[in-house]
Amino acid sequence: NAGVMQNPRHLVRRRGQEARLRCSPMKGHSHVYWYRQLPEEGLKFMVYLQKENIIDESGMPKERFSAEFPKEGPSILRIQQVVRGDSAAYFCASSPRSGRWGNEQFFGPGTRLTVL
Amino acid sequence: DAKTTQPNSMESNEEEPVHLPCNHSTISGTDYIHWYRQLPSQGPEYVIHGLTSNVNNRMASLAIAEDRKSSTLILHRATLRDAAVYYCILRRPDNNNDMRFGAGTRLTVKP
Repeated sequence: NAGVMQNPRHLVRRRGQEARLRCSPMKGHSHVYWYRQLPEEGLKFMVYLQKENIIDESGMPKERFSAEFPKEGPSILRIQQVVRGDSAAYFCASSPRSGRWGNEQFFGPGTRLTVL
Repeated sequence: DAKTTQPNSMESNEEEPVHLPCNHSTISGTDYIHWYRQLPSQGPEYVIHGLTSNVNNRMASLAIAEDRKSSTLILHRATLRDAAVYYCILRRPDNNNDMRFGAGTRLTVKP
């Protein structure tokens, strides 16, 4: 059973370009979470999705950022018109069901975005 | 959200036990205590979690204080591969699943 997969692992963009980060959850997992980690800091929650639904996007910046988890295919985190401050590691996690009752999240290896 | 407090860093010698403390004095009765760790250049990985009773698994043990205001992650024999940042996280069962990561404890293991 493959783990959570993220691609690309490294992404370089110039200011003003778009960044698309992909996350394929573990087989059988229908819950996906995105986190951002700035250098030397802990992970910050961004958004929680189930298939075709955004459940909680309280950690998403109000502009330029969007996320989706379509019925078929990977979850996508999209950053429009990137700025240097978007440079960070973006991690995706998945779980088989709701996090109620202390369910574990499985993390991918992350995508390291560098904005020039 | 209830907060956790951990030391910024700790050191250990290889093959010795390590006790990583976490204070969570504002924990609520239904909060689960989770520990994750993040090895260099990797995503976090689950270590262990508990509610009230002490827990053991193949990776570690979790000792929870009787009043639940603190807990300790115990690595029984540290190896060089255990060098990582360890995060203590509280999770509510009625929460939308996001986990609030603090700065964690950076564990250095010396050979």
